[in-house]
Amino acid sequence: EMQLVESGGGLIQPGRSLRLSCAASGFFFDNYAMHWVRQAPGKGLEWVSGINWNGDILNFADSMKGRFTISRDNAKDSLYLQMDSLRAEDTALYYCAKDVLPVAGTLGAFDIWGQGTMVTVSS
Amino acid sequence: QSVLTQPPSVSAASGQKVTISCSGSSSNLGINFVSWYQLLPGTAPKLLIYNNNKRPSGIPDRFSGSKSGTSATLGITGLQTGDEATYYCGIWDSSLSAWVFGGGTELTVL
Repeated sequence: EMQLVESGGGLIQPGRSLRLSCAASGFFFDNYAMHWVRQAPGKGLEWVSGINWNGDILNFADSMKGRFTISRDNAKDSLYLQMDSLRAEDTALYYCAKDVLPVAGTLGAFDIWGQGTMVTVSS
Repeated sequence: QSVLTQPPSVSAASGQKVTISCSGSSSNLGINFVSWYQLLPGTAPKLLIYNNNKRPSGIPDRFSGSKSGTSATLGITGLQTGDEATYYCGIWDSSLSAWVFGGGTELTVL
């Protein structure tokens, strides 16, 4: 069974850093692009960023540029999101999602999602 | 404000059909392929439709997708109470070089 399990969320003070992890199983992780998508309380889905099978990083949503970094370790079947200078508006449920293709773009879609890990930024 | 526009809510009676629209622009729906996602509270999002109109394995044919110009539509027939969820369209935007989602449509089955 294809599965994604996120971890690393929690309550964090504004300005601090947090690293999220996503462990993949049940498929060839290094064959696919991967993404982070978040959902703030009461809001819709917001794409955070994505990374191709070979480590090429896609764009970041404007509000996260310069503060968030995405990476992957194909040897460990894992995806990461380093979040620095966290703000209250970063409070959200963060999902890890698998792309249907090795390179994200026009023909892509997100076919496997994790349950999400909650990040709460508050003093 | 979302790059893709969806109605906030739709409703229809059990057993009936409903459609959910998704409106975009030439840099996303005009040239790329849309996908649709179902979000049930407390569960992981589920891919319903990809490449405009294709269903992943396990998705019943009650769910359908179409696209014309800069608009897309998700159709659900034979509505069931279990279909009550929030539905999102998503697509790659070639101008932004980013994935974008609609604001979501909450479906109520009467």
